[in-house]
Amino acid sequence: KQEVTQIPAALSVPEGENLVLNCSFTDSAIYNLQWFRQDPGKGLTSLLLIQSSQREQTSGRLNASLDKSSGRSTLYIAASQPGDSATYLCAVNTDKLIFGTGTRLQVFP
Amino acid sequence: GAGVSQSPRYKVAKRGQDVALRCDPISGHVSLFWYQQALGQGPEFLTYFQNEAQLDKSGLPSDRFFAERPEGSVSTLKIQRTQQEDSAVYLCASSSERGNEQFFGPGTRLTVL
Repeated sequence: KQEVTQIPAALSVPEGENLVLNCSFTDSAIYNLQWFRQDPGKGLTSLLLIQSSQREQTSGRLNASLDKSSGRSTLYIAASQPGDSATYLCAVNTDKLIFGTGTRLQVFP
Repeated sequence: GAGVSQSPRYKVAKRGQDVALRCDPISGHVSLFWYQQALGQGPEFLTYFQNEAQLDKSGLPSDRFFAERPEGSVSTLKIQRTQQEDSAVYLCASSSERGNEQFFGPGTRLTVL
């Protein structure tokens, strides 16, 4: 059974720091992996999608890597800003999405 | 084009009432998914449609939950005899085909009193 784990569960940092959020999964048979952002009381915003054949994807200050053989993905956020404060969810796609429980990020000025 | 839309955005039901939640996927998307997100948790899979066919309903928590997509477009998730534990945000997502990126609607927040 596919299980997805995210660490840390919560993170509080000062503005400007570079951050690494971790995601691990137990079964490498996936189509792709998505990273989402969720603001309180809101829906999911897709940040990055990495296909199973890819190693990384970049969008602006965000970079996500995928090591399928070891069951790991990391989301790197450069030069964090208060507007980055949100919950970050990773999900592996096995037809359906299997989500982790998220990392709650707070960036303070 | 328009994204995934869901209605209502908020629903309050008394325990025992039936509710119906609607999802309008992105036009042309053949795959449609329902997820349930409890407070403080990640979303959990409920059911999956490919066009009008319900291919996977393994995540539906009980036989009080029923989903349909009769014409392969709009989908309805129905919950009969609601219970307090059904309180959650119900998210709908669609994708152009199986295994592709999923796009989410804003969700319906259901509160059962």
